[in-house]
Amino acid sequence: QVQLQESGPGLVKPSETLSLTCTVSGYSLSSGYYWGWIRQPPGKGLEWIANIHHSGTINYNPSLKSRVTISVDTSKNQFSLKLSSVTAADTAVYYCVRRYCSAVTCYIDNWGQGTLVTVSS
Amino acid sequence: EVVLTQSPGTLSLSAGERATLSCRANQSVSSSFLAWYQQKPGQTPRLLIYGASSRATGIPDRFSGTGSGTDFTLTITRLEPEDFAVYYCQHLTRSWTFGQGTKVEIK
Repeated sequence: QVQLQESGPGLVKPSETLSLTCTVSGYSLSSGYYWGWIRQPPGKGLEWIANIHHSGTINYNPSLKSRVTISVDTSKNQFSLKLSSVTAADTAVYYCVRRYCSAVTCYIDNWGQGTLVTVSS
Repeated sequence: EVVLTQSPGTLSLSAGERATLSCRANQSVSSSFLAWYQQKPGQTPRLLIYGASSRATGIPDRFSGTGSGTDFTLTITRLEPEDFAVYYCQHLTRSWTFGQGTKVEIK
């Protein structure tokens, strides 16, 4: 059973860098699939941030690309997110997820529980 | 870049009624990578439909997905009380784009 768990500070000051880590259990990141981050501001919709494959292939949301870094540490079975120069607009629940793909389709089949990050001084 | 537009923003219906939710892409997309999720307050999204029309494990058959190209539809044939929630479509290739969501609320 695959489980994902986000960790990181729940409060970040404006202009600073938000850093989150997702620890994966029940599946080795080195075995495949894409892993990513999705966020949801309070009362709003879902926004994809970035995804990464253990091989190093990375995709970023163009609207956030200049501020986002995603990375993977297969030795710890973790992947991480850094979002720089945060503002109040970055306040959201941040989810780490796995994109499952078969031969014919792809979808997100596993979500972390989500972690609320508030940007405030 | 794929942009998904969901309509309506809010759907006010009664239990037992039929719900029809639309997801429109700004360019033709492969139905293989079109998914629908349900989200209730305080919960993580739940996969309903993948490949535009395949129900995920455990999803009741009152939920169905159709469509191709730029137009996709999620239909709930007879709303149950637990179906009142927000529904998102998503296209997943290199980018994982979401629609803005449709809230199905009790009338």
